[in-house]
Amino acid sequence: DQQVKQNSPSLSVQEGRISILNCDYTNSMFDYFLWYKKYPAEGPTFLISISSIKDKNEDGRFTVFLNKSAKHLSLHIVPSQPGDSAVYFCAAELEFGNQFYFGTGTSLTVIP
Amino acid sequence: GAGVSQSPRYKVAKRGQDVALRCDPISGHVSLFWYQQALGQGPEFLTYFQNEAQLDKSGLPSDRFFAERPEGSVSTLKIQRTQQEDSAVYLCASSSSPLRFFGPGTRLTVL
Repeated sequence: DQQVKQNSPSLSVQEGRISILNCDYTNSMFDYFLWYKKYPAEGPTFLISISSIKDKNEDGRFTVFLNKSAKHLSLHIVPSQPGDSAVYFCAAELEFGNQFYFGTGTSLTVIP
Repeated sequence: GAGVSQSPRYKVAKRGQDVALRCDPISGHVSLFWYQQALGQGPEFLTYFQNEAQLDKSGLPSDRFFAERPEGSVSTLKIQRTQQEDSAVYLCASSSSPLRFFGPGTRLTVL
């Protein structure tokens, strides 16, 4: 059963506009959430994370929002750049676990 | 090296053949993870090592899958009698924190 879901397999955005990638989860015990970015033929690379005790974390153009009551998190990229084109995975972790639970990914294309 | 490396990058195997996939983690990283990523899916957990101890192998799909890390650094994922459903990218990650650093993966294709 998929505990972390990304319901949009793809997203296209014009350069300079905002990209919003969404992620839903089912396990209220998740303690830590992360976004990874993946280019073709490369492994996922860490982008940004958020602890369950926070509702927002910002790092440059990237902001992650967490809505625990809705079991939803989102990644905002502003402004979007062509180099942001990649597959984005959200992942969640339990406090006393060692597994990451990944979503299925959203392929972002930023159009110049 | 600076990052996690995996070899081979690509492997084509005939059904029934045994394969061995290697992972070189970041030096000093205690934790090592293996993931399987099927086409169009997110990575799925296979197994976890802390140093040389395999603490969790609950994600291994069958007893044909075996992983080891005998000296607490390099790890090998072995798949015996490969089947077509084993075709996937196998990712290795290492960490010394909540963050995991992934290797580029080995793309296994079983014909």
